[in-house]
Amino acid sequence: AQSVTQLGSHVSVSEGALVLLRCNYSSSVPPYLFWYVQYPNQGLQLLLKYTTGATLVKGINGFEAEFKKSETSFHLTKPSAHMSDAAEYFCAVTPDFYGGSQGNLIFGKGTKLSVKP
Amino acid sequence: DAGVTQSPTHLIKTRGQQVTLRCSPKSGHDTVSWYQQALGQGPQFIFQYYEEEERQRGNFPDRFSGHQFPNYSSELNVNALLLGDSALYLCASSTAGLETQYFGPGTRLLVL
Repeated sequence: AQSVTQLGSHVSVSEGALVLLRCNYSSSVPPYLFWYVQYPNQGLQLLLKYTTGATLVKGINGFEAEFKKSETSFHLTKPSAHMSDAAEYFCAVTPDFYGGSQGNLIFGKGTKLSVKP
Repeated sequence: DAGVTQSPTHLIKTRGQQVTLRCSPKSGHDTVSWYQQALGQGPQFIFQYYEEEERQRGNFPDRFSGHQFPNYSSELNVNALLLGDSALYLCASSTAGLETQYFGPGTRLLVL
């Protein structure tokens, strides 16, 4: 069965420091991978996605992620954290889409990012 | 261009009652998916509607049902509410054949 594992339910960084949020997936078919961000009391906003092609994907707000098939990973990074980055981040996979159907999203449990001044 | 909208924003019900949540997809989208997000957890897929039919379903009991209307809007119905149904219910819309889902702000349901 497909699954997503996010290492670390809480990550705390100082403002200006590197942000690294880890995501590993398991999928029997080539996956489509996503990172979403959720601010308090709000829905999910798409940060970036990997479908096919270039394995380094750039998203909004300076975030990027690299798809590493050999490591089954899709870690999210940002070179310099800003106070406004404090939120919960979810990694998700759509394994079924490859088969041509509109796949559902399977989410990790999320990582809450805190940014210290 | 309005994004995905959901109503109501908050709802309080008691055990055994029934609830209906509503979702209007982003303009141009024809597929609606529903997710349940319990406190401290990631969203879990309930079901997806396309062309007014349920196309996929997650591991949720039959108490959870839905409907899609000709204008692509959708409803989620939950019967015989349990305390464990308390959660944020998220609606996401997309276009058939494209992989990206866009989420609404959610409806927060509290069952007492």
